[in-house]
Amino acid sequence: EPEVTQTPSHQVTQMGQEVILRCVPISNHLYFYWYRQILGQKVEFLVSFYNNEISEKSEIFDDQFSVERPDGSNFTLKIRSTKLEDSAMYFCASSEMISPGANVLTFGAGSRLTVL
Amino acid sequence: DQQVKQNSPSLSVQEGRISILNCDYTNSMFDYFLWYKKYPAEGPTFLISISSIKDKNEDGRFTVFLNKSAKHLSLHIVPSQPGDSAVYFCAASARNQGGKLIFGQGTELSVKP
Repeated sequence: EPEVTQTPSHQVTQMGQEVILRCVPISNHLYFYWYRQILGQKVEFLVSFYNNEISEKSEIFDDQFSVERPDGSNFTLKIRSTKLEDSAMYFCASSEMISPGANVLTFGAGSRLTVL
Repeated sequence: DQQVKQNSPSLSVQEGRISILNCDYTNSMFDYFLWYKKYPAEGPTFLISISSIKDKNEDGRFTVFLNKSAKHLSLHIVPSQPGDSAVYFCAASARNQGGKLIFGQGTELSVKP
């Protein structure tokens, strides 16, 4: 079964450092997403991406965050200068978006980011 | 702004019995609802969905019920199995919001043998 793969599974970084989280979406999917889950809290939308540009972003997705599809397979989330509160599990997801009214996202296993 | 709420953080059920997980929403523009299941150290996995034009959708042991007037949906699992033990997330989307999913806080289901 096709799956979304994410790397690294766990990254530990110092506050202020840049972090890049990588994702390989399902090959025939055209819509890509990043979500995050702070420990014990709900899964929160960060950003959606289609046709090489951001479709929508949440208030969380400030200037410290950026996304990119550098080639035909990878989708990356960059945090320029990490803060302690960026510590969370980051989930990448992709979808075919058959219809905005019936959009099923397939999620990766997540990348755990720990900021010290 | 909690548009999707799961008020029970945990639920414990005996194997073979019915598990009922509940979810409430506030945004009347939501027109598609999904349940995801999540095991530790894994991403959420799609389980079942329902469109707002329906009030019930069934898939094997899993049934989702939607009550639009009450802005409430529930997931029934029957019979419950120990392998169903996981965190269950309710999610919703609106056609005019680009298909992004808004998640509830999750309910941790424990099915005891």
